[in-house]
Amino acid sequence: DSGVTQTPKHLITATGQRVTLRCSPRSGDLSVYWYQQSLDQGLQFLIQYYNGEERAKGNILERFSAQQFPDLHSELNLSSLELGDSALYFCASSPRDGSSTDTQYFGPGTRLTVL
Amino acid sequence: GDSVTQMEGPVTLSEEAFLTINCTYTATGYPSLFWYVQYPGEGLQLLLKATKADDKGSNKGFEATYRKETTSFHLEKGSVQVSDSAVYFCALSGDNYGQNFVFGPGTRLSVLP
Repeated sequence: DSGVTQTPKHLITATGQRVTLRCSPRSGDLSVYWYQQSLDQGLQFLIQYYNGEERAKGNILERFSAQQFPDLHSELNLSSLELGDSALYFCASSPRDGSSTDTQYFGPGTRLTVL
Repeated sequence: GDSVTQMEGPVTLSEEAFLTINCTYTATGYPSLFWYVQYPGEGLQLLLKATKADDKGSNKGFEATYRKETTSFHLEKGSVQVSDSAVYFCALSGDNYGQNFVFGPGTRLSVLP
């Protein structure tokens, strides 16, 4: 158990809908990261938040947004869902700002199925 | 930009065989290097890491040495078990501002009894 929690574990929804994924980092960790894992694209970095502020952005679509709250938990919002958004979404956290010696710890993931 | 290349597999071995999964990287500066393991139906778990050249990371019988001269971080285990069957990801964390983890494509390992 990494100490990172994600809810829900599974999510099934329809095209065009909007969903929110939630992540609680390990106690004391200041950074939260979101990743998408699909069969054809592998593990793709989406976005990082550090102490409430956006720190780095990866391959995140404009239909997706995220935020980190004062208690450091984070939410990933996915809207206007398409079939291709079906994937595993992982959250990770790290103690500091993501500099090279920082280590990321992953949650169990949320499996999103868009029908 | 930074990148990680690893053998994609799948790799199939018999129990007690020797394992090597190759990983090479391209990065500016002095990245940290990681191996993560993903067991079926689970998230990624940190297996081992090395933060500077010639460091050796080790855990659960797995080892990897940070070789700057060959830009490599190959994963090895002397005797694999059925329970080692999983997907293994090599990753780097760069030292540029805003640089985040870059993952390799993953290598699926199947160990047969």
